[in-house]
Amino acid sequence: EPEVTQTPSHQVTQMGQEVILRCVPISNHLYFYWYRQILGQKVEFLVSFYNNEISEKSEIFDDQFSVERPDGSNFTLKIRSTKLEDSAMYFCASSVGRDDGYTFGSGTRLTVV
Amino acid sequence: GNSVTQMEGPVTLSEEAFLTINCTYTATGYPSLFWYVQYPGEGLQLLLKATKADDKGSNKGFEATYRKETTSFHLEKGSVQVSDSAVYFCALRLSYIPTFGRGTSLIVHP
Repeated sequence: EPEVTQTPSHQVTQMGQEVILRCVPISNHLYFYWYRQILGQKVEFLVSFYNNEISEKSEIFDDQFSVERPDGSNFTLKIRSTKLEDSAMYFCASSVGRDDGYTFGSGTRLTVV
Repeated sequence: GNSVTQMEGPVTLSEEAFLTINCTYTATGYPSLFWYVQYPGEGLQLLLKATKADDKGSNKGFEATYRKETTSFHLEKGSVQVSDSAVYFCALRLSYIPTFGRGTSLIVHP
């Protein structure tokens, strides 16, 4: 069964450093998403991406965040200058269409120290 | 705004026990409702869904009924197995972006 692949599974970074989280969505999916879950809290929407541009983003997705699909297979989330409160599990997801079910990756646990 | 409230976990059960995980929602409109499951070390997987009032979603022995009058979508299973141990997320969708609850951890002992 096709999977969404995320790497790394766990990343530790120092506060103020840039970090890039990587995702490989399912190949025939057209919509891509990033969510995050701070420990013990709800899963929060960050951003959706379609046709090589952001289609929707939440208040969390400020200027410190950016997304890119650099090569037609990878979908990356960059945090320019990490803060302690960015520590969370980050989930990538993809779907064929807007109203279709999402397939999620297994997540990247980001720890900012 | 839209929100989903799930019962606090962990829920700890013995094998073959009956499971209920409560989920209620607040939404401006008539959302679609979902349950996702996350097994250890894996991503979230869609478990079941219901798109309108009184619809019942079902999959792998799990069921949930869309109750508009109580704004609820409780997850049930008649006889749980150890392999059902996972985190279960209730979600709603009005626009095409789902809103998730916090998740409820289920631990099933042999």
